[in-house]
Amino acid sequence: EIVLTQSPATLSLSPGERATLSCRASQSVSSYLAWYQQKPGQAPRLLIYDASNRATGIPARFSGSGSGTDFTLTISSLEPEDFAVYYCQQRSNWPPGLTFGPGTKVDIK
Amino acid sequence: QVQLQESGPGLVKPSQTLSLTCTVSGGSISSGDYYWSWIRQPPGKGLEWIGYIYYSGSTYYNPSLKSRVTISVDTSKNQFSLKLSSVTAADTAVYYCASARFGEGEPIDYWGQGTLVTVSS
Repeated sequence: EIVLTQSPATLSLSPGERATLSCRASQSVSSYLAWYQQKPGQAPRLLIYDASNRATGIPARFSGSGSGTDFTLTISSLEPEDFAVYYCQQRSNWPPGLTFGPGTKVDIK
Repeated sequence: QVQLQESGPGLVKPSQTLSLTCTVSGGSISSGDYYWSWIRQPPGKGLEWIGYIYYSGSTYYNPSLKSRVTISVDTSKNQFSLKLSSVTAADTAVYYCASARFGEGEPIDYWGQGTLVTVSS
């Protein structure tokens, strides 16, 4: 079973700053990693799939990188609406299914 | 654009069976484009994948829940359903239905709004 670890657990930043979030897999997931944003009281929203592809309608300030076991989500300049919790997700062949990381909360410093 | 809507009781007694239905609109559940998924989130905690079903009826479940979970699909109604048996307070969560893109990676493109299910006597 592949385990996803996210760091840091909380990231305190100011609007306009750069945010760098990490997701590490316990074994290689190739490039099959996705990132989601979740705001309080809302369902998660897909930001990035296949490690680096922005989903439809996602602003260019969001970018993803990485492959194998180490992945990064970067928000180049934080907007007020970007303060939220971010989850990574992978899909495994065995046992088949999806796994989420524990999340990184980006809050206002 | 696919839209999903969960429905079902918001309160379930311990040891009983939790039953939820997800109605899909804006697309056909038989399209073959998605795995139709259930994901839950206990209050203040992270996301947990419960399982998913393909339109053909093939199912895949989280090993930690497999003995208690059944996911089924009704293509005629464009719906899929979740049953979770022998519930306890630990099953209290917001339950989301969602669509995971068929193929590599399986990112989740669309989510329902979520429904809170509380397990309490």
